Amino acid sequence: GENVEQHPSTLSVQEGDSAVIKCTYSDSASNYFPWYKQELGKGPQLIIDIRSNVGEKKDQRIAVTLNKTAKHFSLHITETQPEDSAVYFCAGSTDSWGKLQFGAGTQVVVTP
Amino acid sequence: DGGITQSPKYLFRKEGQNVTLSCEQNLNHDAMYWYRQDPGQGLRLIYYSQIVNDFQKGDIAEGYSVSREKKESFPLTVTSAQKNPTAFYLCASSMGPGVMGAAFFGQGTRLTVV
Repeated sequence: GENVEQHPSTLSVQEGDSAVIKCTYSDSASNYFPWYKQELGKGPQLIIDIRSNVGEKKDQRIAVTLNKTAKHFSLHITETQPEDSAVYFCAGSTDSWGKLQFGAGTQVVVTP
Repeated sequence: DGGITQSPKYLFRKEGQNVTLSCEQNLNHDAMYWYRQDPGQGLRLIYYSQIVNDFQKGDIAEGYSVSREKKESFPLTVTSAQKNPTAFYLCASSMGPGVMGAAFFGQGTRLTVV
């Protein structure tokens, strides 16, 4: 089955700097890659996703890139703000239903 | 408001008891999922359902049971056979095939064995 690895496990950045989280996947049939943000005690919230027919997608300060050949995808957050502090999860899916395999998560801390 | 509602938010279980976690969605989504989250870890799939009256085991189904009698509802029972049930449980739903829909999550139920 699919295996998703996520790095780093923790990331500390200064406010205004950029943050990058990287994920790799094992199943070349994976074709959908969402990113979730989880605040303490809450459910994960979808922040951006990318499909395998697209190499890059951007939404304001957040962007995701996908390299199908290397089987890795990354989340980029620019101009980080304290409210960006949370745990971020990447995920991959090989089916059309949305059943996801998650990475272990990255704790992002943005310091003023 | 459309969304996924999980209840209760906190649940305490005594050793040897079965408990049922509720999940309801009004998004008209076909598929529903249950995930377990342990501290500092990712989400692991317990069970999922793509259609009413049908469901499939995920990666860690032992000690859990589900039902899908209505499209809107997907309750999870944590049985006494689950040896380490203390965790944060998350329910999600997605639109279904052909749409490659994103999965949306509820706010979770924190289960503690006392």
